[in-house]
Amino acid sequence: DIQMTQSPSTLSASVGDRVTITCRASQSISSWLAWYQQKPGKAPKLLIYKASSLISGVPSRFSGTESGTEFTLTISSLQPDDFATYYCQQYGSSSVTFGGGTKVEIK
Amino acid sequence: QVQLVQSGAEVKKPGASVKVSCKASGYTFTGYYIHWVRQAPGQGLEWMGRVNPNSGDRKYAQKFQGKVTMTRDTSITTAYMELSRLRSDDTAVYYCARGPDSSSSMDVWGQGTTVTVSS
Repeated sequence: DIQMTQSPSTLSASVGDRVTITCRASQSISSWLAWYQQKPGKAPKLLIYKASSLISGVPSRFSGTESGTEFTLTISSLQPDDFATYYCQQYGSSSVTFGGGTKVEIK
Repeated sequence: QVQLVQSGAEVKKPGASVKVSCKASGYTFTGYYIHWVRQAPGQGLEWMGRVNPNSGDRKYAQKFQGKVTMTRDTSITTAYMELSRLRSDDTAVYYCARGPDSSSSMDVWGQGTTVTVSS
């Protein structure tokens, strides 16, 4: 199975900060990567698919980029509603795998 | 609106089985795969497998081979996930989610079903 290494596991930030979360795949997955946001007690919410395609209705402060097997989720200006846990997910192979998650906390 | 509604919480004893349902509405059930993902308390997301509602074809994560069975009933647009030989480390929230392909992102999720395994 393809392993997804996500970092950092926890991130402390303030409202207005620029935040970057990284996922590295253990092998090539082309652009087959998604990002999710999860809040406590809730199901994950799809933010980005195919590495950089924003889901309709998701604020434009969220963006995704890729460089080889390294993928980045950026929040350009952190808002109070963005404090949550974020997961990457690869679907470049027949078995899907998730990264370990990044909890974005209030500094 | 498009939604997946799961069955309610379950409490099971070790060694038992549990069957969770996922009722789809608002879209063509046979047009999307149903994936199952679990989340143990305080832990991350773990993909268990998926079922093709159109053909019934299934693929399971290697870890769950022989332990999970995913089925569907197209007449009532419902998918099922049955987990057998339950252990305490199967205690988790189980989600169903919709995806456009056998391996894909998942754009619609159920609300989750808590399964607690305790003697």
